[in-house]
Amino acid sequence: QVTLRESGPALVKPTQTLTLTCTFSGFSLTTSGMCVSWIRQPPGKALEWLARVDWDDDRSYSTSLKTRLTISKDTYRNQVVLTMTNVDPVDTATYYCARISPVHNSNYAMDVWGQGTTVTVSS
Amino acid sequence: DIQMTQSPSSLSASVGDRVTITCRASQSINTYLNWYQQKPGKAPRLLIYAASSLQSGVPSRFSGSGSGTDFTLTISSLQFEDFASYYCQQSYISLTFGGGTNVEIK
Repeated sequence: QVTLRESGPALVKPTQTLTLTCTFSGFSLTTSGMCVSWIRQPPGKALEWLARVDWDDDRSYSTSLKTRLTISKDTYRNQVVLTMTNVDPVDTATYYCARISPVHNSNYAMDVWGQGTTVTVSS
Repeated sequence: DIQMTQSPSSLSASVGDRVTITCRASQSINTYLNWYQQKPGKAPRLLIYAASSLQSGVPSRFSGSGSGTDFTLTISSLQFEDFASYYCQQSYISLTFGGGTNVEIK
């Protein structure tokens, strides 16, 4: 059974750095084609893709946030960590991690999601 | 960046209705298009991948079609448990979600 679980602070102050951890089981990030992504959703708003790390350690980021984001993986601990620098109240959101796997030819989809963790940015 | 535009942003429908949601990409994405369902307070769930393939366990009343820039998600006969938000997402270049469609009870 594939599971993912997000963890991190519920409250951070503006200008601080947010660190979120995704702990997963049931698959390996050393398996060809496997990836993990972070997605966020501000209250009442749409999903926003943030970052992705692939089995071969290739990394990609949202264009609008790339200067503030870093994603990394620890294949021994089965964890993926996202850091976001210089947070602002507009970064208040539920943050999800999801497994991305190859579903058809070279198409990838987020087929298993964590339950999400809510982060509030406020002084 | 590839922009994904969904329409409508919300709709009201009754149980048994046929519902269609559209998604348009700002450039051709072949069939690199996935659909997700999200219920309030829950994580999204993959419904359709590669534009028209049904994810395992998803009821057959859900279907997807399209290629290039224009895609549709159809619910053939809306059930009570289908009232939710729906998102398209492209994986042709990087990843982008559409703005979502909220399906409400009429």
